[in-house]
Amino acid sequence: GIQVEQSPPDLILQEGANSTLRCNFSDSVNNLQWFHQNPWGQLINLFYIPSGTKQNGRLSATTVATERYSLLYISSSQTTDSGVYFCAVGKNQAGTALIFGKGTTLSVSS
Amino acid sequence: DSGVTQTPKHLITATGQRVTLRCSPRSGDLSVYWYQQSLDQGLQFLIHYYNGEERAKGNILERFSAQQFPDLHSELNLSSLELGDSALYFCASSVELKYGSGYTFGSGTRLTVV
Repeated sequence: GIQVEQSPPDLILQEGANSTLRCNFSDSVNNLQWFHQNPWGQLINLFYIPSGTKQNGRLSATTVATERYSLLYISSSQTTDSGVYFCAVGKNQAGTALIFGKGTTLSVSS
Repeated sequence: DSGVTQTPKHLITATGQRVTLRCSPRSGDLSVYWYQQSLDQGLQFLIHYYNGEERAKGNILERFSAQQFPDLHSELNLSSLELGDSALYFCASSVELKYGSGYTFGSGTRLTVV
């Protein structure tokens, strides 16, 4: 099956700092999503980005499908950005589920 | 609100018991996926239903079963519960099987087996 590796596993930032989270995957995919799991456990869909670049406020993501990686950029981080960021991939074929990485745990302090 | 509704939010039960978790997908979504999140295993895919039919199974134990009803809501049944079944159980829904634009997750059911 597809392997998903996320780095770094942990990240500690001061408020206002920028960060880049990386997701490498082992096979071609046509579904890639970034999720944020907040401290209450809720999984929030940040981006659906099987290829290309998207931006939403202080967050942006880029996926280079041919090189099998995706990057999530967080700018001017805030304490509310704390939590775990997951990358998940899938092939969008019949019955294919999302395969999740182990996540990057982000802690932002004021 | 993601549009995917899961009930109950919390559940505490004893070993050996049986519980049912419920998921209502977003309006218009035909696919429902169930996931289990535990500290040691991370987020694991359990089972996928599309328009009432089972489409794929992942790491789902034989003690667990699921179904999707004509109104598209889904239930995950967990029986003969063990301490190790304590976890967050999520469901997700998506609109198209082959051309999905993304999966949306519910807020989860936190199951504690004591």
